[in-house]
Amino acid sequence: ILNVEQSPQSLHVQEGDSTNFTCSFPSSNFYALHWYRWETAKSPEALFVMTLNGDEKKKGRISATLNTKEGYSYLYIKGSQPEDSATYLCASPARTSYDKVIFGPGTSLSVIP
Amino acid sequence: DGGITQSPKYLFRKEGQNVTLSCEQNLNHDAMYWYRQDPGQGLRLIYYSQIVNDFQKGDIAEGYSVSREKKESFPLTVTSAQKNPTAFYLCASSPAGANTEAFFGQGTRLTVV
Repeated sequence: ILNVEQSPQSLHVQEGDSTNFTCSFPSSNFYALHWYRWETAKSPEALFVMTLNGDEKKKGRISATLNTKEGYSYLYIKGSQPEDSATYLCASPARTSYDKVIFGPGTSLSVIP
Repeated sequence: DGGITQSPKYLFRKEGQNVTLSCEQNLNHDAMYWYRQDPGQGLRLIYYSQIVNDFQKGDIAEGYSVSREKKESFPLTVTSAQKNPTAFYLCASSPAGANTEAFFGQGTRLTVV
């Protein structure tokens, strides 16, 4: 994997459903993996910054795991609510430059009441 | 309140003209970034700066220029050489690069008429 990739591109779930999506990134020369939430008409906001293999972070109903050896991270949302509707972005520094932060294309989540 | 301010929010430019987008932060962050978003695509890195008087090209720097004369300011100039300048531009900053979360401005939507 040369770039940061995310799947699925979009997701529609019913309120109360749990959901998850994936971020894939280059596993060599790994520095960090970021997750952001971008709500319509707002600025992206950081959810997590993860640096260690096996890391698991949690914020309310949202959690994330990290596997640096195979180059993927999962974001989980438990009991989705309409206010969770947003685009979820992951980002990682480029292999060649620590400060060059590259974003994936995002997963657009719509939670239907 | 600390944060990042981008101005203007909307900008219209005639084809062939240069235009400068402002980005100011009062978070005392060393690193600053410019990203571009096109419909249906993720954030693509234009330029980044780790320290005053130094900046690096991102993945799509052609047709853009930046300066970093002050820590708090990182203006982006869209030149007439940029073939498809109509896009949404986001500025971000972070304390010390890739393993710290980035903070984003509200964005500037540039339209070439």
